[in-house]
Amino acid sequence: DTGVSQDPRHKITKRGQNVTFRCDPISEHNRLYWYRQTLGQGPEFLTYFQNEAQLEKSRLLSDRFSAERPKGSFSTLEIQRTEQGDSAMYLCASSLLRGGGAGANVLTFGAGSRLTVL
Amino acid sequence: EDQVTQSPEALRLQEGESSSLNCSYTVSGLRGLFWYRQDPGKGPEFLFTLYSAGEEKEKERLKATLTKKESFLHITAPKPEDSATYLCAVRLGGFKTIFGAGTRLFVKA
Repeated sequence: DTGVSQDPRHKITKRGQNVTFRCDPISEHNRLYWYRQTLGQGPEFLTYFQNEAQLEKSRLLSDRFSAERPKGSFSTLEIQRTEQGDSAMYLCASSLLRGGGAGANVLTFGAGSRLTVL
Repeated sequence: EDQVTQSPEALRLQEGESSSLNCSYTVSGLRGLFWYRQDPGKGPEFLFTLYSAGEEKEKERLKATLTKKESFLHITAPKPEDSATYLCAVRLGGFKTIFGAGTRLFVKA
């Protein structure tokens, strides 16, 4: 397993266009998270899935954002009608739900998808 | 509101100069506190998990401690390769994890 993969790594788009990011988690992980990170800030929670179910979505997330995880495997994050304020690094992470132990619920992150909205 | 606050925002050290990073939290239900390291252009990388007050974890030059309201990441005799952003995160009930803004550490040779 090569870890969490995100695609594309970089995306430049014009304001008003739609963009979609893909995340392939570690295969045995059943939880998948999306975060947004801007320069000098920590990752900001957007949403997370357990298997294919979206369990929580940040109230900061506008209706222009939608995430899916069909069949509980890869996930996509779509941003419609992009705005300049959407420019950020979008991070995906996955984790394995288990009861205890040193690795319980640790998030493994991908390298991120950097979005620039012109 | 659940919140994680890290200080200082940035820390500049000479090689070998030990120091500590602080993470304070106000959350309704702590289910674990995590430290991550993030290098420029990369995703955060896991360092430690702490679950209860008084717990300590060590890895090479790093030692993490936890009290009821805050955690410290102690760096002993740092080297230039320890330069990175160190992120503190807390897991809430329901497995949502929130992060602080991070401390950017610069270690000069």
